[in-house]
Amino acid sequence: DVKVTQSSRYLVKRTGEKVFLECVQDMDHENMFWYRQDPGLGLRLIYFSYDVKMKEKGDIPEGYSVSREKKERFSLILESASTNQTSMYLCASRRGGTYGYTFGSGTRLTVV
Amino acid sequence: AQKITQTQPGMFVQEKEAVTLDCTYDTSDPSYGLFWYKQPSSGEMIFLIYQGSYDQQNATEGRYSLNFQKARKSANLVISASQLGDSAMYFCAMREGFGTSYGKLTFGQGTILTVHP
Repeated sequence: DVKVTQSSRYLVKRTGEKVFLECVQDMDHENMFWYRQDPGLGLRLIYFSYDVKMKEKGDIPEGYSVSREKKERFSLILESASTNQTSMYLCASRRGGTYGYTFGSGTRLTVV
Repeated sequence: AQKITQTQPGMFVQEKEAVTLDCTYDTSDPSYGLFWYKQPSSGEMIFLIYQGSYDQQNATEGRYSLNFQKARKSANLVISASQLGDSAMYFCAMREGFGTSYGKLTFGQGTILTVHP
């Protein structure tokens, strides 16, 4: 069964900490995405990657960075976590040229 | 400007009845795709149905159909014969065809559907 795996389901971090959210897919997909989901706002794109070592800013990249050193792994980094980054984070992947997106189960991050 | 708009924060439907969830979109790209996803309380995003901008017929997948009105830029989801398990958050999303935006999905705000027995 094809999968997108997010390393943590729930995470609690302190303000100012550096936070890593990991996403791994086993489908050899070229494209990977990080979204955050907030009530009333839907899912908003933070960053995406077309291929290894390539990254593009999404709609709300401020306060985040990403890393994609290997095709299967796409990491979201909060350089200095703040309380307004408390949210649900969803990772997705997609094979280039197709319309099928596969989502992970999400990481609910709380910054205190 | 909002590219995907879902104007119904919450909807209620009686079991076995049909329900329509509204979605309007805004794009100047002639090539685009429209998606509906279901998100139960467990959090995973479940793909329901897809409509391409050049598709001549409305998409259907089992109890789900997409009422695609291109001139009105609307892509409403119709769920027939609602079941209790249909209670969830529903998202409409769009992928635009060309340029650097290609491949990324833009989502609406979501509609919470509650099915009553």
